[in-house]
Amino acid sequence: GQSLEQPSEVTAVEGAIVQINCTYQTSGFYGLSWYQQHDGGAPTFLSYNALDGLEETGRFSSFLSRSDSYGYLLLQELQMKDSASYFCAGRAAGNKLTFGGGTRVLVKP
Amino acid sequence: EAQVTQNPRYLITVTGKKLTVTCSQNMNHEYMSWYRQDPGLGLRQIYYSMNVEVTDKGDVPEGYKVSRKEKRNFPLILESPSPNQTSLYFCASSSGGGHNYGYTFGSGTRLTVV
Repeated sequence: GQSLEQPSEVTAVEGAIVQINCTYQTSGFYGLSWYQQHDGGAPTFLSYNALDGLEETGRFSSFLSRSDSYGYLLLQELQMKDSASYFCAGRAAGNKLTFGGGTRVLVKP
Repeated sequence: EAQVTQNPRYLITVTGKKLTVTCSQNMNHEYMSWYRQDPGLGLRQIYYSMNVEVTDKGDVPEGYKVSRKEKRNFPLILESPSPNQTSLYFCASSSGGGHNYGYTFGSGTRLTVV
């Protein structure tokens, strides 16, 4: 099985950069996904890393290092609308996902 | 519009009364999955399906059943609900193809068992 650890909460101001780390212990690991969830809403897919390195999608970037069993999500030019919970999720065979506990990001003016 | 539709959105029921939460997707996705979300515990997978008639247990399958008779539908069945199944439930689907392994989630079903 898989287990993924991420910080529970991060606070930052508008315009800042936030990095959310995710470490995993797993067997049969295929890749790392990131999801965003606003309060009262459903999770939405942000990114997926199958290979080591950085994937950039607009203001958000995601990184994976398989040798370190580690990944992170980088949120740049933070906006108030980025206040949400962010989940890393490990992908295994059968497209099975195991989620970390989530990181609540609070953006202050 | 491409979407995953769950019904009902809210449900209050009594212990032991069988219920079904429906899930339907219109994206022709092969992979579908059910999760429950509880405060402090994140999203935990209940069951998942890789295609019609192919399902497997997730991390917390006890007390739940699923079926995948058609590609678009993946209902979650609670044969005898108990209060510890009070939770927020999400259905999700994915094509699982190419580089796009992301899941699309339904809006959620908030279930209360009294």
